[in-house]
Amino acid sequence: NAGVMQNPRHLVRRRGQEARLRCSPMKGHSHVYWYRQLPEEGLKFMVYLQKENIIDESGMPKERFSAEFPKEGPSILRIQQVVRGDSAAYFCASSPRVTFEAFFGQGTRLTVV
Amino acid sequence: GQQLNQSPQSMFIQEGEDVSMNCTSSSIFNTWLWYKQEPGEGPVLLIALYKAGELTSNGRLTAQFGITRKDSFLNISASIPSDVGIYFCAGQLDTGNQFYFGTGTSLTVIP
Repeated sequence: NAGVMQNPRHLVRRRGQEARLRCSPMKGHSHVYWYRQLPEEGLKFMVYLQKENIIDESGMPKERFSAEFPKEGPSILRIQQVVRGDSAAYFCASSPRVTFEAFFGQGTRLTVV
Repeated sequence: GQQLNQSPQSMFIQEGEDVSMNCTSSSIFNTWLWYKQEPGEGPVLLIALYKAGELTSNGRLTAQFGITRKDSFLNISASIPSDVGIYFCAGQLDTGNQFYFGTGTSLTVIP
């Protein structure tokens, strides 16, 4: 959905480097969700944020992964010390409120070499 | 986490045929969403359902929120080649927060 902007679209990192994925939600949306998708698989929930708050991070690995949604600026998903298993498509979705439809961005395809 | 069982896993149909797919859960959901995803792209929202028994259409697409609140159905009438893609259902519990996604139905339309 053109309204949710993710960048970069493609990101290549060497093992051990950091990856930063950005998501700008649709205008007026204060709820952001991050999902991970492996090839030929469905979307797995990672984290749900509202402005400045992490609401649910039950799907996020305990180590190396973090997310934020500051008062100003995009939401950031950060992966430290990337490993080959982190290679996947990462999607962000935004919604104007919690029990409402969510619109997805085009994703960031992370490749760890 | 919640398991959403989506079936069938894949479908190969002739252009012009109707398509039906469904999604079931062991939990009660308060929202059902249907998305279509094409290769290299993000999921695109097709239909959103918020009430048990609700039947909603979007062009040739029709979706229903099951009465038990544990299932949903998507129908596509008179399929065309551009319907090709993977269709995902997604549900949200009463407690809100995340959307749980089904495993997807891959649709191939043969001209």
